[in-house]
Amino acid sequence: DGGITQSPKYLFRKEGQNVTLSCEQNLNHDAMYWYRQDPGQGLRLIYYSQIVNDFQKGDIAEGYSVSREKKESFPLTVTSAQKNPTAFYLCASWAGGAFFGQGTRLTVV
Amino acid sequence: AQSVSQHNHHVILSEAASLELGCNYSYGGTVNLFWYVQYPGQHLQLLLKYFSGDPLVKGIKGFEAEFIKSKFSFNLRKPSVQWSDTAEYFCAQVDGSGGYNKLIFGAGTRLAVHP
Repeated sequence: DGGITQSPKYLFRKEGQNVTLSCEQNLNHDAMYWYRQDPGQGLRLIYYSQIVNDFQKGDIAEGYSVSREKKESFPLTVTSAQKNPTAFYLCASWAGGAFFGQGTRLTVV
Repeated sequence: AQSVSQHNHHVILSEAASLELGCNYSYGGTVNLFWYVQYPGQHLQLLLKYFSGDPLVKGIKGFEAEFIKSKFSFNLRKPSVQWSDTAEYFCAQVDGSGGYNKLIFGAGTRLAVHP
């Protein structure tokens, strides 16, 4: 089945540690996106990538980093510089509309 | 920067009631608009989209939306809701500034339908 796979579904980390969220797609889409979802704030764009080896900062990129070494993969690293990292993270790809993964709920304690 | 406003944050309805969720977008040249739904514990799903043509767009599960350019609105409607429509609904707009397509979302509307 074609789609977007995010792993893990739930992730717990200690404060001060970097953590990497995985996003893989087999839809052959060029564009991929990372969003953060918080209650009452909708989805806010963290980073996006139109093609391999290229990515752009979104509205809330501070404290995050990404890479796009392969078309299928767009991992997001939440660094210790992110002040409020506990959130629900959604990865998406684009082809006439956005296709979303099931999300990763990150809790930092 | 473009933005999307959803004015109703929480809506509570009884089954069979009619639904209208408001969405206003900011002008940005070409207008591409979407409604997404997120059922409890599930991923975001596309309900419908508007790129051009007939301003009344029909989507899945009996939903429709009307694009009104003069009001910068793209409201979502359903004539008769069911308990299974309980979900969070997001309006979104494509922001193509800078040569990259980005999807900008509203804050969402939580709909609770009571039997």
